Order: sequence, then structure tokens, then C-alpha cells
Amino acid sequence: DGGITQSPKYLFRKEGQNVTLSCEQNLNHDAMYWYRQDPGQGLRLIYYSQIVNDFQKGDIAEGYSVSREKKESFPLTVTSAQKNPTAFYLCASSPLQGALDTEAFFGQGTRLTVV
Amino acid sequence: RKEVEQDPGPFNVPEGATVAFNCTYSNSASQSFFWYRQDCRKEPKLLMSVYSSGNEDGRFTAQLNRASQYISLLIRDSKLSDSATYLCVCPLISSGSARQLTFGSGTQLTVLP
Repeated sequence: DGGITQSPKYLFRKEGQNVTLSCEQNLNHDAMYWYRQDPGQGLRLIYYSQIVNDFQKGDIAEGYSVSREKKESFPLTVTSAQKNPTAFYLCASSPLQGALDTEAFFGQGTRLTVV
Repeated sequence: RKEVEQDPGPFNVPEGATVAFNCTYSNSASQSFFWYRQDCRKEPKLLMSVYSSGNEDGRFTAQLNRASQYISLLIRDSKLSDSATYLCVCPLISSGSARQLTFGSGTQLTVLP
């Protein structure tokens, strides 16, 4: 079945540690996105990528890093520089069809907690 | 001004009621818009796309007003299962033609028995 998979579903991190969240899609989508959601809040864009080996910062990129070495994969690293990393992280992908924007499909999310 | 703004909510309505949410956007170049539904502690899922003036799917109607730069979502005959957070999405063209999907902060709906 085609889809977008995030892992792990729950992640606990000690303060000062880097941690990498996985996002894989087999939908052959060009664009991929990472969002952060805090309780009772909307989605805030961290990073996005439209093609392999290229990505752009979103609104809250500080303390995060990404890579796009393969079309299918867009991992997010939460570094120790991110001072308040506890949140729900959502990865999404979408196809690009010329000038017409298409909807994004989401993974089930990773809930990161700093302990 | 935020790029995408939604009604603050929360909306608490009785079963069977009609409820409408609005969402304003600042980028007049945007061509298409989306409404997503998000249940508690789950990922957002697409509810409706809006590419022209509007779209209707059963009890749900989405309308686009380009002159005033807002989209709306109307839910008729509300069901208990409609209780969720509704997010509007506006794709934005950033530098180098890269598209980013900007979400509104969401409107929480609770349908009461």
C-alpha cells in the first residue's frame, strides 16, 4: 500500500541529545514537509523540500536540520540547540503538478518528549 | 498579519446545527486551497479541496472568495462525529518557485448531543 510512514511513533530524548525522526514515502511525491504542532496549536513549518538534495527553511527551522538524499526519504534531526523540542512532529508529502497545488498527505506523526 | 488566519473558535454547537468557519489568506497569487480535519492526537486528513469558486461534498461546502481573500467551510446537519479541529491550508510560492503549505491555526468544533 502506498503511503507515508513516520517512525518512531513515540520518542523520548534526554536534554542535550540529538535525535533523528524518520519519514519515508512510497507515493513518488516530489515535495516533502516537516511540521511541528504544540498542544492546542496549529501546524508550524520547519523545513520543506521539492527535489532531492535541496530543501528550504520554514518558519521555525532553528535547532533543526534535514537531508533529502533520496526522493523517498526526508529525515529530521532535532539538535540540542532546539531549546523546547517536546512536541508532535508531522511529516507530509505532496506531488507537484505544474501550477496547480495538490493536497498533502501526512504520516501518523512522532510524539517527542524531552525527559 | 499572518499569512493564513482562521476563526479563533472554539465552536460548540448542538447536533443538527449548521456551522461555518472562515479563513483569510494574504497571498493573492494562491490558486488552490484546502480544508483538513484533525482529530485529537492524530494527523490531519484532507476534507476538501477548493480550486475555483467552491466545492460541495454532502453536508460540507467550501467556498472561495478571491476578491476578499477568504475561504469558508460550511457544515450542515452537524453530527457528533464532526467534532474535530478544522485547518485551512494555503500553498504559498516562495523564492525559486518552491511551494510551502501554510496552515491556519485551526478551529475547534464540538458538536453536542
